[in-house]
Amino acid sequence: KNEVEQSPQNLTAQEGEFITINCSYSVGISALHWLQQHPGGGIVSLFMLSSGKKKHGRLIATINIQEKHSSLHITASHPRDSAVYICAVRPPAYSGAGSYQLTFGKGTKLSVIP
Amino acid sequence: EAQVTQNPRYLITVTGKKLTVTCSQNMNHEYMSWYRQDPGLGLRQIYYSMNVEVTDKGDVPEGYKVSRKEKRNFPLILESPSPNQTSLYFCASSLSPGQGGYGYTFGSGTRLTVV
Repeated sequence: KNEVEQSPQNLTAQEGEFITINCSYSVGISALHWLQQHPGGGIVSLFMLSSGKKKHGRLIATINIQEKHSSLHITASHPRDSAVYICAVRPPAYSGAGSYQLTFGKGTKLSVIP
Repeated sequence: EAQVTQNPRYLITVTGKKLTVTCSQNMNHEYMSWYRQDPGLGLRQIYYSMNVEVTDKGDVPEGYKVSRKEKRNFPLILESPSPNQTSLYFCASSLSPGQGGYGYTFGSGTRLTVV
């Protein structure tokens, strides 16, 4: 079973700062997801990555398959970015039914101060 | 609007009283899943379903049941709830590879307290 580690666990930043959240996993995957959970509790899917880099607005996600590592970057951070960011990985497609099963990191709690 | 709808959002119940948390999606997704989220443990999978009448256990299935009689609905059943099932529960759905992708849509969550 994959072990997913996120760092840091908690992060406090000043508004406008560049933020990086890291995710490492132990065995090969078919895809990695970055999720955002706001204080109200709802979970939103931000990115799904199997290689390279994706960008959406001020958010950038990268993945290095060889190093089993992904990063989520937030440029020009804003208080509304305050949330818990969760990394989740999917097993390879040859896992059959198991390839749908996500393994989650414990999350990174981000607080952006005005 | 494409969404996963969970009900109820909040529920307080007593030990042993059977309850059902409903989950419905309007995106024709084949894959549906239930997770629980606990402080310090993160999200863990309870059960999942690949399609109608196809379900399987996740990491923490004990004390839970599911059914998938229709593609859109995937209820979570606690036949005899216990206090250790107090948690925040999420339902999610996803396209299958045959449907074109792996993106997940989550419901808004159900906060369950068992006293």
